[in-house]
Amino acid sequence: GQNIDQPTEMTATEGAIVQINCTYQTSGFNGLFWYQQHAGEAPTFLSYNVLDGLEEKGRFSSFLSRSKGYSYLLLKELQMKDSASYLCAVKPTGGFKTIFGAGTRLFVKA
Amino acid sequence: EAQVTQNPRYLITVTGKKLTVTCSQNMNHEYMSWYRQDPGLGLRQIYYSMNVEVTDKGDVPEGYKVSRKEKRNFPLILESPSPNQTSLYFCASSYQVASGELFFGEGSRLTVL
Repeated sequence: GQNIDQPTEMTATEGAIVQINCTYQTSGFNGLFWYQQHAGEAPTFLSYNVLDGLEEKGRFSSFLSRSKGYSYLLLKELQMKDSASYLCAVKPTGGFKTIFGAGTRLFVKA
Repeated sequence: EAQVTQNPRYLITVTGKKLTVTCSQNMNHEYMSWYRQDPGLGLRQIYYSMNVEVTDKGDVPEGYKVSRKEKRNFPLILESPSPNQTSLYFCASSYQVASGELFFGEGSRLTVL
């Protein structure tokens, strides 16, 4: 089967750093995406990893280890507006489908 | 402005009454897809289309139909809606099938009584 696991909820403090983990088991691998979704809104793209390693984009970084089926999203200098759900998504072999995890709801407190 | 547009945004209907949710994108994307989002389950793929007249089932296609007669449009059809199809639906498009990020519409909240 195909499965993506991520924590349901996390809480962090404004200005801090938070790491959201994602593990996956899929039939092949063709890339991993992270999306941000604010309550009542559409998901928006954050990052894409297809090779092992760290991709940095401003305050957000995403890491991938294909051999471990593992990724994390790192958010630095947290702001209140970062309170949202973060969705991990994987494209299995073929790349025509995208499988999403259930998402991690992040609460940023003052 | 580059966007994916869905209509209606909100709909309450009754069991068995056929409905169509439209989706249109103005980015000339070849790939389009429909998802439903339910609490605790995340986004699940219903159908996708790699190009005009090319569609295929996602993970939860039962009870849904799609068509892709034009590149920009990808309507989702519920021939006989049932209460278990009450959900938040998202249409998405991508410029590249394998590695392209998905651009999502604003969502359509459907309630079937």
